[in-house]
Amino acid sequence: ETGVTQSPTHLIKTRGQQVTLRCSSQSGHNTVSWYQQALGQGPQFIFQYYREEENGRGNFPPRFSGLQFPNYSSELNVNALELDDSALYLCASSSRTSGSRNEQFFGPGTRLTVL
Amino acid sequence: AQRVTQPEKLLSVFKGAPVELKCNYSYSGSPELFWYVQYSRQRLQLLLRHISRESIKGFTADLNKGETSFHLKKPFAQEEDSAMYYCALSSNDYKLSFGAGTTVTVRA
Repeated sequence: ETGVTQSPTHLIKTRGQQVTLRCSSQSGHNTVSWYQQALGQGPQFIFQYYREEENGRGNFPPRFSGLQFPNYSSELNVNALELDDSALYLCASSSRTSGSRNEQFFGPGTRLTVL
Repeated sequence: AQRVTQPEKLLSVFKGAPVELKCNYSYSGSPELFWYVQYSRQRLQLLLRHISRESIKGFTADLNKGETSFHLKKPFAQEEDSAMYYCALSSNDYKLSFGAGTTVTVRA
């Protein structure tokens, strides 16, 4: 069984740029959630994708967008980067069809630094 | 709105001593509560969830709906318990709301 993977591991961008982060879900999982974790804080929910559609969104502006592909992998896109976007971005996968519908399995994260 | 509060940022205990991590939540419906743990250089992973009512690595947590709490307890802390612990709440919309986390250090 392959766990959740994320790429890249870390990257550095400047204000105003755009970034795309990628996530491959765990085998057998059909749902992907994205979280932002600022330094010293718990993860904050950005949005969730199920069956290639956004299924719930946290308190993040529209410049945060995402996609889910038929193989259940996902992308997080952030436009017009701001300094406060610097954080660890976590991807988590889960399965709606299993009994443990809310158990989410996390990837290692992508560390984004905005200068 | 749902909110999870972990009042302690840092918790230091001696090996063999009891440890309790506090978690309080606010949510108008019937939530599912979880404890996630992150060991050094490892990814965030589920420790336990209230609906399973089981003990994992000696840890237990009881959901108290009257006090809206889900405190994590272990009677005898071990050095390998040193980690970051997050309490999380899941509502009907499948998203997880996390607390700010508690860093536990178990000293020899």
